[in-house]
Formats: sequence, structure tokens, C-alpha cells
Amino acid sequence: GNSVTQMEGPVTLSEEAFLTINCTYTATGYPSLFWYVQYPGEGLQLLLKATKADDKGSNKGFEATYRKETTSFHLEKGSVQVSDSAVYFCALNSGGYQKVTFGIGTKLQVIP
Amino acid sequence: NAGVTQTPKFQVLKTGQSMTLQCAQDMNHEYMSWYRQDPGMGLRLIHYSVGAGITDQGEVPNGYNVSRSTTEDFPLRLLSAAPSQTSVYFCASSYATTIGLAGDIYEQYFGPGTRLTVT
Repeated sequence: GNSVTQMEGPVTLSEEAFLTINCTYTATGYPSLFWYVQYPGEGLQLLLKATKADDKGSNKGFEATYRKETTSFHLEKGSVQVSDSAVYFCALNSGGYQKVTFGIGTKLQVIP
Repeated sequence: NAGVTQTPKFQVLKTGQSMTLQCAQDMNHEYMSWYRQDPGMGLRLIHYSVGAGITDQGEVPNGYNVSRSTTEDFPLRLLSAAPSQTSVYFCASSYATTIGLAGDIYEQYFGPGTRLTVT
């Protein structure tokens, strides 16, 4: 079956530091890949997506590139802010609406 | 647009009680889902619907029922609550966007969640 692997964290960074959150996947077929963000006390929001190999998704300074050869979709941001503190979920969708798999979520804490 | 709304925000139940978690969306989305979020396990799909009158089971359906009589509403019923159902529940809606290599792409819109404790 499909699976998504990411570290649980927490990842603690100082403001303006560089962020990488790793995400690797296994999937049958040709999945679409997503990063969702969950701010404290809220539901998940779509952060970015990529639908084919070498696509780069980007939003709010975050980027992730769909790497089919390494089955990865790592999330990066060049300079994090305190307001980026949240839980980040990597997800894939392959073969229909219900065929979505989420990672366990990585908690990011950014300190001033 | 209110987006996806869920009620209640918090609920405490005793073992054996039943209740309904409400979910509504005003975006005219065809697809809706219920997930539970547990520590160290990410989100797991409970039930989903691909349109009014059509529902199906997800990964962890036992102990839960759903119905979809309208496009807007997708309530989740707990038939006889158990401590193992203590969790945060999220409702989500979606529609098919651009066509990917594997078919339609589904971006999900989540509600704010319901935190349920069963004692």
C-alpha cells in the first residue's frame, strides 16, 4: 500500500533559520503530492502541491520539489518566522479521491 | 463563504453514549470525508462521500455511521462511544481540480475540528 514517512519532531529553529522537513513516500501509480499546515487549534490548510516529477510547488516562501527518482517531496523555507510555528503534514493522493495518505505530521517551533 | 464548519468544538461522552458530529460546507463541493487525528498516527480516513446519497468506508470505519442527504451536510454518528474513539475529528470537502498524470487532483478543505473525549 501507499505510505508517507516524515519525522514527528518537534523541530526547533531560531527565527530566520533555514528550514527543511523531509518527506519520502511509497506509492503505486503516479501520485500527486501535497504539504498541509495545521496552526494551533485549527484544521489543516493546503500549503502547496505538485502533480508530476520535477514540479515545484511554492507558497508563502515555502517550496517543495517532486523528486520521482528519490521518491521525496522535502519542504524548505529560506527564513522562518515565529508565525510559521505549526504542524506540517506531507500527503499523497493516488488513484481516486479516497486514496489519500497522510504522514504523521512534523511539529515546527520557531523561537525569537 | 464560511468554508467547512463543524460542531461541536469540544465534547465529552461517557462510554456507551451516542452522538452526532455535524459538518457542513458551503462551497458546493462534491466530495466530503471524515478523518480522525491521533498522536503519532497522522490522519486516518473514517468514511467518505463522492456525492449526495453516496457514502463508503475508509480505513477505520468501525463504530461510526455517516449519511449524505444533501451536498452541504455530512454528519458523523458515533453509535456507542468507546474510550478508543477519544480523538480529534476533522471533516473535509474537496472537488476535482486539474488533471494529473494519475487522474483528477483533489485539494482538501478542512473544518476546525471536534475534540472528543470518551470516559
